[in-house]
Amino acid sequence: QVQLQESGPGLVKPSATLSLTCSVSGGSISGYYWSWIRQPPGKGLEWIGYMYFGGTTNYNPSLKSRVTISIDTSENQFSLHLSAVTTADTAVYYCTRDWATGYSSGWYYFWGQGTLVTVSS
Amino acid sequence: DIQMTQSPSSLSASVGDRVSITCRASQSISTYLNWYQQRPGKAPKLLIYAASTLQSGVPSRFSGSGSGTDFILTISSLQSEDFATYYCQQSYSIPHTFGQGTKLEIK
Repeated sequence: QVQLQESGPGLVKPSATLSLTCSVSGGSISGYYWSWIRQPPGKGLEWIGYMYFGGTTNYNPSLKSRVTISIDTSENQFSLHLSAVTTADTAVYYCTRDWATGYSSGWYYFWGQGTLVTVSS
Repeated sequence: DIQMTQSPSSLSASVGDRVSITCRASQSISTYLNWYQQRPGKAPKLLIYAASTLQSGVPSRFSGSGSGTDFILTISSLQSEDFATYYCQQSYSIPHTFGQGTKLEIK
């Protein structure tokens, strides 16, 4: 069974870059779309963006100027980088995998447990 | 962006009740509508995709319907483990957007 695990700093200073990694086990990173979704404390879910292992990316326009998602197939992991963070970026960040093979169905079936990132000085 | 609006925002019900949650899209999304259940402190769980297809392993008391702009999630007979927050999500266009959530509480 595919398992995802987020890792990275739990505290980031304002104006710095938030960097998280999602390690994938129980399956290959190849052939699938990998996404990041976040949830501010006590609020709803926000889709950040996805990357296909072949290199295609798509980002939420509201974050596009600050977001980069990358994949490391040799390590079977993918990463999120969010620059110039503010307190509004404080959230639980989830890494996810699309259910479908080879295309983006938008059915987020596999999820990491989530990691809370707090932006504060 | 397509806006997704759920109603109600919260709902109190008893074990055994039949409940429905509505999700409305700001434009037609055909059947590109998915439902998730989230328990406190846990990641969301995909329940239904493509408006009405039950994900494998999800109890048959859950059902989804609708197309275009209006969708419904129904739980036919509430069990204690169903008390959670439910989100709809459109996968018609990027960015994929979620409803604000419906918190289902025990009466």
